[in-house]
Amino acid sequence: DGGITQSPKYLFRKEGQNVTLSCEQNLNHDAMYWYRQDPGQGLRLIYYSQIVNDFQKGDIAEGYSVSREKKESFPLTVTSAQKNPTAFYLCASSIGAGGGDEQFFGPGTRLTVL
Amino acid sequence: ELKVEQNPLFLSMQEKKNYTIYCNYSTTSDRLYWYRQDPGKSLESLFVLLSNGAVKQEGRLMASLDTKARLSTLHITAAVHDLSATYFCAVDPLSNTGNQFYFGTGTSLTVIP
Repeated sequence: DGGITQSPKYLFRKEGQNVTLSCEQNLNHDAMYWYRQDPGQGLRLIYYSQIVNDFQKGDIAEGYSVSREKKESFPLTVTSAQKNPTAFYLCASSIGAGGGDEQFFGPGTRLTVL
Repeated sequence: ELKVEQNPLFLSMQEKKNYTIYCNYSTTSDRLYWYRQDPGKSLESLFVLLSNGAVKQEGRLMASLDTKARLSTLHITAAVHDLSATYFCAVDPLSNTGNQFYFGTGTSLTVIP
C-alpha cells in the first residue's frame, strides 16, 4: 500500500538534545513538507522540499534542520536551539509543488521535552 | 501577513441539525482544501476546491468556494455523531512559488445525540 510513514510515534527528549524525526513516502511524490501543530491550533509550516537536494524554510524554521538526499525521505532534526519543541509533528507530501497539488499527511510524531 | 480564519472555533450541535463552518482568507487564491482531524490523529483529506464556484459533496458534508469573497464554507446536513472531529481549511495562495499551504485554526465540532 502506498502511503507516508513517520517514526517514532512518540518521542521524548531531554533539554539540550537533538532528535531526528523520520518521514518516508512510497507515493513517488516530488514534494514533501514538515508541519508543527500545537494544542488547539492549526498547522504551521517548518520546511518544505520540492525536489531532491533542495529545501526551503517555512514560517517557523528556526531551531529545525532537514535534508532531502532521497526522493522518498525527508527527515527533520529538532535541535537544542528550538526552545519550545513540545508539539505534534506532521509530515506531508504532494505529487508536485506547482500549486494546486493536494497534500497527504502521515500519522504524526508527538514530541515531548522532559 | 496572510490570515486564514475559521469560525466558529468550537461548535456543539445536535444530531439531525444543519450547520455551516466558514473559512475566510486574506490572499488571492483559487485553491482551497478541507481536512478532518480526529483526536490524536493525522489529517484526512475531505475536499479539494480549485476554482471559483467549486462545490463538492460527500455524504453529509458539502464544501464550496467563492474566490471573490475569499470565503469557503463547509456545510453539514443532518449531523450524526460520527462527524465529531476538528475541521481545518487550508489555502494555497496564487503568489506561492511552491505549494505551501496556510491552515486555519480549526473548528472543533461535537455532535450531541
